[in-house]
Amino acid sequence: GIQVEQSPPDLILQEGANSTLRCNFSDSVNNLQWFHQNPWGQLINLFYIPSGTKQNGRLSATTVATERYSLLYISSSQTTDSGVYFCAVEETSGSRLTFGEGTQLTVNP
Amino acid sequence: NAGVTQTPKFRILKIGQSMTLQCAQDMNHNYMYWYRQDPGMGLKLIYYSVGAGITDKGEVPNGYNVSRSTTEDFPLRLELAAPSQTSVYFCASGGYVGREYFGPGTRLTVT
Repeated sequence: GIQVEQSPPDLILQEGANSTLRCNFSDSVNNLQWFHQNPWGQLINLFYIPSGTKQNGRLSATTVATERYSLLYISSSQTTDSGVYFCAVEETSGSRLTFGEGTQLTVNP
Repeated sequence: NAGVTQTPKFRILKIGQSMTLQCAQDMNHNYMYWYRQDPGMGLKLIYYSVGAGITDKGEVPNGYNVSRSTTEDFPLRLELAAPSQTSVYFCASGGYVGREYFGPGTRLTVT
């Protein structure tokens, strides 16, 4: 099956800093999503982005499908951004998402 | 819309007991999924369904069963619970291709 690698595994920031999280995948995809899991365990869908660029407030994401990677940008980070960020992909021949292992983000005040 | 709801929120089972985790969605999504998340790990797919009456195995189906008699409901059955099934269970739903929406999770401990 498709492989999904996220980097870095852990990231510690001071409030106000910017960051970039990366997701590499091993095969063609027709679905790529970014999720945030908050410290209480709730999973929130941030972006559905199989290709191109999207922005939502301080967060934006870019997927370069031909090169098999996606980036999640967090600008002016806040303590509420802390948690785990997951990338999940669905290969073009499949019908379900495969999750990466996540990036644990800690934003300190 | 309530979105995706799951019950119970927490449960402790003894080894060998059985239980059903309930999941319901009110978004008229055809696709529904069950995942488990072990501590510090990503999510692994247990079972999924592409519509009422249709279910299929995911990556880690052993020890679980599902049914999908309606579009709204997708219960997960654990038979003969084992300590290895201690985990957080998430139900999700979505359209054909697009966003998946997750429920709040059920934290299960088997002792």
